[in-house]
Amino acid sequence: DSGVTQTPKHLITATGQRVTLRCSPRSGDLSVYWYQQSLDQGLQFLIQYYNGEERAKGNILERFSAQQFPDLHSELNLSSLELGDSALYFCASSPQGGDYGYTFGSGTRLTVV
Amino acid sequence: GESVGLHLPTLSVQEGDNSIINCAYSNSASDYFIWYKQESGKGPQFIIDIRSNMDKRQGQRVTVLLNKTVKHLSLQIAATQPGDSAVYFCAEVYGGSQGNLIFGKGTKLSVKP
Repeated sequence: DSGVTQTPKHLITATGQRVTLRCSPRSGDLSVYWYQQSLDQGLQFLIQYYNGEERAKGNILERFSAQQFPDLHSELNLSSLELGDSALYFCASSPQGGDYGYTFGSGTRLTVV
Repeated sequence: GESVGLHLPTLSVQEGDNSIINCAYSNSASDYFIWYKQESGKGPQFIIDIRSNMDKRQGQRVTVLLNKTVKHLSLQIAATQPGDSAVYFCAEVYGGSQGNLIFGKGTKLSVKP
């Protein structure tokens, strides 16, 4: 157990729907990162939050959004889902915002049918 | 582009042999590199890191070599064990990546008993 908790582990939904993925960082970590892992694109950085505020944005689609709550857990919202959104979504956390001592969760496997 | 690539997508070795996994990076400004191991059904797990002011760094059974002249990174695993079977990713960090990880495509290591 890495200490980073992601729920749900698996999610199957239909095109056009909206889902929310949840991440609880390791105790004491202030920064949360979201990555998407697909077969053709590998691991792609989506977005980072630090202590409740957005810190950096990567290749995140406009249909996707995220937030980090006061208790530091984070949610990734995916809307108007398309078949191509099927992927593994990983959350990682680190103690601060500028360090790279990432700890990854086990991921949420999203399947859009 | 800014992607990190790998020379070999798959690598098969005999148990007990040494493994070498290679990675080419494209951004000469990258100043920090990390190797991750990802086992089936799990998130990436930190193995070892190296900063650009170093050529070599050793961990337990693993060594990372950095050749900045040719922008090449390698991971050496000594006495490879069945438990080393996984996908290995190199990742780089540079200022333009806003401090976030740019991952390569990954190399699958299979260890034959």
